[in-house]
Amino acid sequence: GQQVMQIPQYQHVQEGEDFTTYCNSSTTLSNIQWYKQRPGGHPVFLIQLVKSGEVKKQKRLTFQFGEAKKNSSLHITATQTTDVGTYFCAGRNNQFYFGTGTSLTVIP
Amino acid sequence: NAGVMQNPRHLVRRRGQEARLRCSPMKGHSHVYWYRQLPEEGLKFMVYLQKENIIDESGMPKERFSAEFPKEGPSILRIQQVVRGDSAAYFCASSPISQGEQYFGPGTRLTVT
Repeated sequence: GQQVMQIPQYQHVQEGEDFTTYCNSSTTLSNIQWYKQRPGGHPVFLIQLVKSGEVKKQKRLTFQFGEAKKNSSLHITATQTTDVGTYFCAGRNNQFYFGTGTSLTVIP
Repeated sequence: NAGVMQNPRHLVRRRGQEARLRCSPMKGHSHVYWYRQLPEEGLKFMVYLQKENIIDESGMPKERFSAEFPKEGPSILRIQQVVRGDSAAYFCASSPISQGEQYFGPGTRLTVT
């Protein structure tokens, strides 16, 4: 069946270091969305990518959709303590399949 | 514009009781999704509804679970004869279009004792 995997599952970084999470699907996706969930909170939409090879930036965050539309990445430059949380990708192929998430801890 | 509302925020049920979780989507949104999240785990899709219709319920257990989104009123996720394994956070999300960004509610934390 459809699976969306994310790596790594956990990541601890020093404040100021970069962070990347990778999302891989077993099948081609029509689009991919990224969400952030703070501890104890609910997922909040960050961005949607639709086109093959698409790259979008939001301040220190860079999102990329693979050429084959089966993988995606989120890169955060110079992490801050406010970046703490779990980052989920959600791939669309008839229904939304959420990835397993990457939990980011930023050490001040 | 109020966000997605869910109630109750916390629900405690004894084994065998029924749990009813409510979700009011954002104004103008006719697409509603329900997800379940276990501690330290990701979101598992349960069901996707549009007004009065179930579009996709492939993620929902065949027994004890049901969902509806009536013409008037909130979407309801109903769990009959709850068991301890049903304890989880249940999130509802709404969207204005079928492939659009999803706006999540604060979730209902269900505890089955």
